[in-house]
Amino acid sequence: AQTVTQSQPEMSVQEAETVTLSCTYDTSENNYYLFWYKQPPSRQMILVIRQEAYKQQNATENRFSVNFQKAAKSFSLKISDSQLGDTAMYFCAFYSSNTGKLIFGQGTTLQVKP
Amino acid sequence: DTGVSQNPRHKITKRGQNVTFRCDPISEHNRLYWYRQTLGQGPEFLTYFQNEAQLEKSRLLSDRFSAERPKGSFSTLEIQRTEQGDSAMYLCATDTPPSGDRTDTQYFGPGTRLTVL
Repeated sequence: AQTVTQSQPEMSVQEAETVTLSCTYDTSENNYYLFWYKQPPSRQMILVIRQEAYKQQNATENRFSVNFQKAAKSFSLKISDSQLGDTAMYFCAFYSSNTGKLIFGQGTTLQVKP
Repeated sequence: DTGVSQNPRHKITKRGQNVTFRCDPISEHNRLYWYRQTLGQGPEFLTYFQNEAQLEKSRLLSDRFSAERPKGSFSTLEIQRTEQGDSAMYLCATDTPPSGDRTDTQYFGPGTRLTVL
């Protein structure tokens, strides 16, 4: 069975600084997708970034980038130039067509301080 | 905007009552998912539909829970004889963005927060 682990329950960063959130996963599949979702307090779950496992190049979306290490089953999220609006809970998630559903980690609460 | 709406946004009920939630995706004929999220935790899969067919149900979905998706459009999730342990956020998601074809990415609605007293 697939599992997703986020070992950092809480993190904080100063505004304009860079922060990295960690995620590891376990699967025996070769074709899958990994995601980072953001959930601000009392607000909607929003897609941050997506990575296809068959792509070696790390995905990037503006200030957000990932470090995807397939052999190590690691998928970290780097947020550059942190902004107050980045304060949220961040979830790492795994998806494959075999599972047919998203499997989420426990989440990391990120606080951006002014 | 993900194009997924959910109603009601909040529901408070007494233990033993029945409740029904609704999810309206912007696009039909796609996959529609239900997840449950308790406070401070990641969402957990409940069930999903391809068009009107319910393809998988989690063991979390006890016999008090039932989900439907008539005609492959909106979906409803009903909980009968609610218990305090049912208190959670119920999230709906689809695999079709507001503009574009079906993808392997899920787009979430705002959720329905259920409180069982």
